[in-house]
Amino acid sequence: DAGITQSPRHKVTETGTPVTLRCHQTENHRYMYWYRQDPGHGLRLIHYSYGVKDTDKGEVSDGYSVSRSKTEDFLLTLESATSSQTSVYFCAISERWNTQYFGPGTRLTVL
Amino acid sequence: DQQVKQNSPSLSVQEGRISILNCDYTNSMFDYFLWYKKYPAEGPTFLISISSIKDKNEDGRFTVFLNKSAKHLSLHIVPSQPGDSAVYFCAASALKGGFGNEKLTFGTGTRLTIIP
Repeated sequence: DAGITQSPRHKVTETGTPVTLRCHQTENHRYMYWYRQDPGHGLRLIHYSYGVKDTDKGEVSDGYSVSRSKTEDFLLTLESATSSQTSVYFCAISERWNTQYFGPGTRLTVL
Repeated sequence: DQQVKQNSPSLSVQEGRISILNCDYTNSMFDYFLWYKKYPAEGPTFLISISSIKDKNEDGRFTVFLNKSAKHLSLHIVPSQPGDSAVYFCAASALKGGFGNEKLTFGTGTRLTIIP
């Protein structure tokens, strides 16, 4: 298994609070991604990174920001969490063409 | 606009029989396709992929078929085993054409249940 960890694994928070999810890899892969998984929508890309300090938006980026200051860490921040951001969040990494390897996920509940 | 579609939310198959999961796409720029398998409370795991220069790729019990003219791909699992019970996602990307070859577009998934 690719060395990818996500923290926290579970989080419950209240509407309006900031939340940061962390993805950490030990594979030294160039690309890192944040997805959310929701029933009926599959996996949707939020943001991705193609190198340190290089990031770009995915299809559902509104309300989210990311940062990557080191190769191994990719942070996803919800500046002011809303109930619509209740979801399961997955981080993924890749080096070779398009074969992405996923972390175990973070279940976020916004009350 | 769902560019990758898995029209069957669920599928039940008897153990030992063939499981066939289907996926359709609309973007003609897609030229690389993947299947992922996901168990509950775990992240998706890569299963098998195929490039558009091929029409079939096989890996053990898993075979992926690509029909470019129909914009359709399928995953065959033979024989099906209880451990194959999971959600299967197909995904696609465009390696050429400037669409961002690092990004995958996923379908909504098909839940496969293998009946012992």
